Amino acid sequence: GENVEQHPSTLSVQEGDSAVIKCTYSDSASNYFPWYKQELGKGPQLIIDIRSNVGEKKDQRIAVTLNKTAKHFSLHITETQPEDSAVYFCAATKGNAGNMLTFGGGTRLMVKP
Amino acid sequence: SAVISQKPSRDICQRGTSLTIQCQVDSQVTMMFWYRQQPGQSLTLIATANQGSEATYESGFVIDKFPISRPNLTFSTLTVSNMSPEDSSIYLCSDLPGNTQYFGPGTRLTVL
Repeated sequence: GENVEQHPSTLSVQEGDSAVIKCTYSDSASNYFPWYKQELGKGPQLIIDIRSNVGEKKDQRIAVTLNKTAKHFSLHITETQPEDSAVYFCAATKGNAGNMLTFGGGTRLMVKP
Repeated sequence: SAVISQKPSRDICQRGTSLTIQCQVDSQVTMMFWYRQQPGQSLTLIATANQGSEATYESGFVIDKFPISRPNLTFSTLTVSNMSPEDSSIYLCSDLPGNTQYFGPGTRLTVL
């Protein structure tokens, strides 16, 4: 089955700096890679996703890149703000109904004002 | 995006008792899921609940411990039976409208 590894497990940055979280996956058939943000006491919220037919996707201050050959994908947050502080999870799946998400271990991001 | 609500949001229970968690979604979906998130950990899939069929459980989870109902296309329940302190976790409901998976706010369960 699929295995997703996520690094780092914790990340502390100064407000305004960039943050990068990296994930690797094992199943070359995986083709859908979402990122979730989980704030304290809340459920995971989808913030961005990418499918294997593109290499990069941006949405304002966040972007995701995908390298299918190396089987890794990354989340980039620019101009970080204190409200970006949360736990971020990457996930991977083959994307068809019945193929469930496999989650990475999570990254606790702390943005210091 | 999907709107998912869960009840209760949190509970403190005595060992040996059972708790039923309700999940309501805002659109009809075939697939709903239940996850467990132990303190400081990632999400682990408990089971997939399809309307009109029995739930499919992942390795390590059994129906006697986590019975699931799926009476219609917008509602599901998960029961945590004969609870022990090791069951203290956040339990999350999720649905899959189209190709994107969404999560509810979670139910924080503490077992004493």
